[in-house]
Amino acid sequence: DAGVTQSPTHLIKTRGQQVTLRCSPKSGHDTVSWYQQALGQGPQFIFQYYEEEERQRGNFPDRFSGHQFPNYSSELNVNALLLGDSALYLCASSFRQGAYEQYFGPGTRLTVT
Amino acid sequence: GQNIDQPTEMTATEGAIVQINCTYQTSGFNGLFWYQQHAGEAPTFLSYNVLDGLEEKGRFSSFLSRSKGYSYLLLKELQMKDSASYLCAVRTTDSWGKLQFGAGTQVVVTP
Repeated sequence: DAGVTQSPTHLIKTRGQQVTLRCSPKSGHDTVSWYQQALGQGPQFIFQYYEEEERQRGNFPDRFSGHQFPNYSSELNVNALLLGDSALYLCASSFRQGAYEQYFGPGTRLTVT
Repeated sequence: GQNIDQPTEMTATEGAIVQINCTYQTSGFNGLFWYQQHAGEAPTFLSYNVLDGLEEKGRFSSFLSRSKGYSYLLLKELQMKDSASYLCAVRTTDSWGKLQFGAGTQVVVTP
């Protein structure tokens, strides 16, 4: 049973560029949430996708956008990258929005130079 | 929003017991979670409390007092592999899918 997978593992981008991160949920899960984790901090909620729609959003600017596909996989897009966007981006999946347990993927380490 | 506080770092000896406290301030509380995160890895689920009391799962136990906005994670018979960051997270009734995390407590287990 495959767990949550994310790609790529690491990414280096230049300030002002755009980036797309990908996530495949755990088998049987239909909800994907994205988190940003800065070094030494806890994860910060970006948004959640369910039934191909953004259902909830954290305190992140519109530069952060996403998408969910019919197979429940998801993408996180960040435009006009800033140095402060450097972080570990975690994807978490669950069954239905309100499932109490979220399973996290290994994350994508984004470095903006 | 929610304020979630937990100590930054704790050190304990192999075989000992460590208690990690977490305090929170929130409205519409709907569950508290503990996750373990080893350096460079994904957080892994440890426990979930929504009612007051103690939940025991092997060497790990978690306690919740909703009236005090307080939880703790108890790690018994510490092993070297328990060296990790422990994250406390709260969910509220107005945002089912969103977990609000504390900054994490780095536990260092020494021989």
